[in-house]
Amino acid sequence: DAGVTQSPTHLIKTRGQQVTLRCSPKSGHDTVSWYQQALGQGPQFIFQYYEEEERQRGNFPDRFSGHQFPNYSSELNVNALLLGDSALYLCASTRTPSYNEQFFGPGTRLTVL
Amino acid sequence: AQTVTQSQPEMSVQEAETVTLSCTYDTSESDYYLFWYKQPPSRQMILVIRQEAYKQQNATENRFSVNFQKAAKSFSLKISDSQLGDAAMYFCAYRSRRDDKIIFGKGTRLHILP
Repeated sequence: DAGVTQSPTHLIKTRGQQVTLRCSPKSGHDTVSWYQQALGQGPQFIFQYYEEEERQRGNFPDRFSGHQFPNYSSELNVNALLLGDSALYLCASTRTPSYNEQFFGPGTRLTVL
Repeated sequence: AQTVTQSQPEMSVQEAETVTLSCTYDTSESDYYLFWYKQPPSRQMILVIRQEAYKQQNATENRFSVNFQKAAKSFSLKISDSQLGDAAMYFCAYRSRRDDKIIFGKGTRLHILP
């Protein structure tokens, strides 16, 4: 049973560019959350998707947007990249109801130059 | 707003000994979950142990146990018989039962000395 997978593993972009990160949830899971983990910090919640809609959002600007597809996979899009967007982006999936455990993927390391 | 504080950026313990990682949190809610996650160099965040606030009994998972003090808003993790594979970043985390986001502390890096 594959766990949560994310692609790509690493990514290098320059300021002002746009990036798309992808996540496939664990089999049987229908809810996907995205977190940003800056170097030396704990992860911070960006948003969560369920039934193809954003269900909850953290304190991130509109440059951060997402999408969930009918197969429950998800994308995180970041526009107009800033140096401060350099971080590890983690995806977590769970099966509704939400008190179930969230399983994390290995993350995508984004470097903005 | 809820916050999670881990005051120990780094800790070291001799292999086979016991170590305790500290965590405090702040919330005005009464119904919530607390977690300890492990993040090894592979970056995969792994759930170590989970505590539901309405349960007074402290959670245990094999060599891992917690000391949950609800009134003091304290949630420490004890690792017994430390093994080399326990070396990692450990994050204390909180989630309200009302919503889905997990709030993490800044982490404690645990070194295991052979």
